[in-house]
Amino acid sequence: AQTVTQSQPEMSVQEAETVTLSCTYDTSENNYYLFWYKQPPSRQMILVIRQEAYKQQNATENRFSVNFQKAAKSFSLKISDSQLGDTAMYFCAYLMNRDDKIIFGKGTRLHILP
Amino acid sequence: GAVVSQHPSRVICKSGTSVKIECRSLDFQATTMFWYRQFPKQSLMLMATSNEGSKATYEQGVEKDKFLINHASLTLSTLTVTSAHPEDSSFYICSASAPGSTFYEQYFGPGTRLTVT
Repeated sequence: AQTVTQSQPEMSVQEAETVTLSCTYDTSENNYYLFWYKQPPSRQMILVIRQEAYKQQNATENRFSVNFQKAAKSFSLKISDSQLGDTAMYFCAYLMNRDDKIIFGKGTRLHILP
Repeated sequence: GAVVSQHPSRVICKSGTSVKIECRSLDFQATTMFWYRQFPKQSLMLMATSNEGSKATYEQGVEKDKFLINHASLTLSTLTVTSAHPEDSSFYICSASAPGSTFYEQYFGPGTRLTVT
């Protein structure tokens, strides 16, 4: 069975710093999708970034980028120039097919300090 | 595009009563919807997967007679918590997959906070 592990329950960084959130996963599949979701205090789940496993190039979305290491089954999220609005719970997630269930990690609570 | 709504956003009910939560895909047809439960400071726990026109598939440990899920149309799925008890108090989130989307992400509703007194 697929699993997603986030080893950092909580992190704090100063505003404008760069922070990296770790995520590892386990799967025997070759094609799949990985996501980082943000859940702010409003609790609305927001997609931050996605990565297709067949793509070697790391995904980037403005200040957010990933380091996808397929062989190592690692999928870390880097937030550059962190902002107070980045304070949230971040979930790493795995999906195999469109209508499959998403496998979530336990989350990392990120605090951006002024 | 790809907006999912939930109603109500908050509900308080008395122990022993039933409460229905609606999940709607506003601008797309969702053949598959998912229902999650989330306790404070924890991850999302999948309760069930619902497909339009067929019975929901429940995750192990989820009481199907207590959490009734109906997916009667391509834009609406409902979760009914029957004979609610205080331990059913939680945050319930639905999500939907969009068949025509380029990417395989699921779109999440804003959640419903249920409090059973």
